[in-house]
Amino acid sequence: SQKIEQNSEALNIQEGKTATLTCNYTNYSPAYLQWYRQDPGRGPVFLLLIRENEKEKRKERLKVTFDTTLKQSLFHITASQPADSATYLCALAANYGQNFVFGPGTRLSVLP
Amino acid sequence: NAGVMQNPRHLVRRRGQEARLRCSPMKGHSHVYWYRQLPEEGLKFMVYLQKENIIDESGMPKERFSAEFPKEGPSILRIQQVVRGDSAAYFCASSNRAGVQETQYFGPGTRLLVL
Repeated sequence: SQKIEQNSEALNIQEGKTATLTCNYTNYSPAYLQWYRQDPGRGPVFLLLIRENEKEKRKERLKVTFDTTLKQSLFHITASQPADSATYLCALAANYGQNFVFGPGTRLSVLP
Repeated sequence: NAGVMQNPRHLVRRRGQEARLRCSPMKGHSHVYWYRQLPEEGLKFMVYLQKENIIDESGMPKERFSAEFPKEGPSILRIQQVVRGDSAAYFCASSNRAGVQETQYFGPGTRLLVL
């Protein structure tokens, strides 16, 4: 069955360092992969979308990679700040589908 | 431009009662998605609707759950005869076009507690 895993339920890093979050999937061939941020008690907020034919996407301090051979996406936050502390969700969709399958999320804490 | 609105934000029901969750999409959006998030779990897709039509309900439980998106008014997720296992956060999202490449904008969620 389809499975999406995100690295360690929680990740703590020091302010200023680069945070790297991992999204691995099995038994799935997504054409699109998205990353969302979710703060406690709030709905997810879209951050980035990357297509299967794109290796890398950047937006300000964010960088996403998508390796369909490894079946993995990496999400990087450079020069991390305490305000980046949140849960980050990856979501995958097939080309034909109308809905995304979400991973369980990684809770990131950036320590001052 | 107001974002996606959901009400109520918190809903408490006793077992056997009905729960009605409302979602008003962003202005101009005609596509609505409902998700359920259980504690410590990821978002699970439930149903995708366009105005007056259910497009994909593959994630919706077969019994007790229904959804609608009428021509006028908000989308409604209805849960009949609620059970404790229905306790969760329910999020709706909207987009202005169909297709998984379109950005979905999420509402703040309705937190349902079944006593």
